Amino acid sequence: AQSVTQPDIHITVSEGASLELRCNYSYGATPYLFWYVQSPGQGLQLLLKYFSGDTLVQGIKGFEAEFKRSQSSFNLRKPSVHWSDAAEYFCAVGNYGQNFVFGPGTRLSVLP
Amino acid sequence: DSGVTQTPKHLITATGQRVTLRCSPRSGDLSVYWYQQSLDQGLQFLIQYYNGEERAKGNILERFSAQQFPDLHSELNLSSLELGDSALYFCASSVAGDSNQPQHFGDGTRLSIL
Repeated sequence: AQSVTQPDIHITVSEGASLELRCNYSYGATPYLFWYVQSPGQGLQLLLKYFSGDTLVQGIKGFEAEFKRSQSSFNLRKPSVHWSDAAEYFCAVGNYGQNFVFGPGTRLSVLP
Repeated sequence: DSGVTQTPKHLITATGQRVTLRCSPRSGDLSVYWYQQSLDQGLQFLIQYYNGEERAKGNILERFSAQQFPDLHSELNLSSLELGDSALYFCASSVAGDSNQPQHFGDGTRLSIL
C-alpha cells in the first residue's frame, strides 16, 4: 500500500530564510504528488502538483517542489519565507485506482 | 475560495446525539471526499462518492454514513456521538473519481461533543 512520510513534525525558520520541507513516499508506480497548505482554522489549499514531465514544478505563493524518483522524494522549497507562510503543510500521493493518502503534516513556524 | 461549501461551520452537541454535515462541491466536480482531522489522528480519509455512488472507503466508523445526491451535494451523518468524535470534518471535491486529480477542500465543520 502506498504511504507518505514527512520526517519533520515541526520546523522553525526566520523570515527571509530559505525553506525545504521533506516528503517521502512509498508507491509501486509513478505516483501523482501534491502539496497542500493549511492555515489555522482553514481548509487545505493546493500549492502544487506533479503528474509527469519536468521534475521541478512551480506552485502558488512562490513555492516549488522537485520530484526525485531515485529518492522517492517530493520536497517542497521556497527561497525566502514570509511570516504569512506559517501554517501546516501536507504532502499527498494518489493514482488511478488508489485512495488519496496524506502525510502527517509539517508545522512551519516563522520567526520575525 | 475553493468553491467547496460546507455547512454548518460549527456544531456543538452532546454524546449519543446524531448530526448531519453538508457539503456542496465545486461546480463541475463529480467526486466528493470526506475527511476527519483531529489532533491525535491527523487527517483521516473517511469515504468518497463519485457521481452518486460510493467509490472508496477509508477509516469510517459504522456509526457514520454518507451519501451523495443527484445534484452532487453530499451529507455525512454521524450518530451515537462519542466524545472522541470531536474533530474537524472536511469535505473535498475533484473533477473525476480517481486520486490522480487534485482535491479542493472546504473550510470544514468543527464538531464539538460535550
